[in-house]
Amino acid sequence: GQNIDQPTEMTATEGAIVQINCTYQTSGFNGLFWYQQHAGEAPTFLSYNVLDGLEEKGRFSSFLSRSKGYSYLLLKELQMKDSASYLCAVSADKLIFGTGTRLQVFP
Amino acid sequence: EAGVTQFPSHSVIEKGQTVTLRCDPISGHDNLYWYRRVMGKEIKFLLHFVKESKQDESGMPNNRFLAERTGGTYSTLKVQPAELEDSGVYFCASSAARVGELFFGEGSRLTVL
Repeated sequence: GQNIDQPTEMTATEGAIVQINCTYQTSGFNGLFWYQQHAGEAPTFLSYNVLDGLEEKGRFSSFLSRSKGYSYLLLKELQMKDSASYLCAVSADKLIFGTGTRLQVFP
Repeated sequence: EAGVTQFPSHSVIEKGQTVTLRCDPISGHDNLYWYRRVMGKEIKFLLHFVKESKQDESGMPNNRFLAERTGGTYSTLKVQPAELEDSGVYFCASSAARVGELFFGEGSRLTVL
């Protein structure tokens, strides 16, 4: 079957670093996406990994290990506006989402 | 450039009634997707259009749901008759390529009483 796991909730302090993990088991793999979703808004694209390794984009980085079925999203220098849900999604024959990790950043 | 737009943003109906949700994808995007998020659960795939053709409708819950994309532009998702368990947020997304970034709309929140 298709399964994507990520923690339900995380908390962190402004200025800190947080890592959100995602493990997956899917039939087929065309890449892994991370989306950010603020409450009541559309999910917005953060990153896409199709090869193993780290992709860095400003304060956000995403890592992929295909052999381990594992990815993480790393957020540095956390800001209050980073409080949101972070969705891990695997592109197989369709885009399959995890339940999302709700991140709360405190001052 | 306009993003993916969905209408209505929120709909409250009674069990047994009909609701039609509309999605206007980004202009030029051949791929259009419908997803649904039920409270506390993950965003789940419903179906995928390539232009006006249904590429994959394996996620449609049952025959009370009907999606169309006449002319390959905007799409509608009709629920008839609506049941309580249909409540949730219905997201539409579009993309230019078959595999790649999906651009999401803000969703249509459906509440069935």
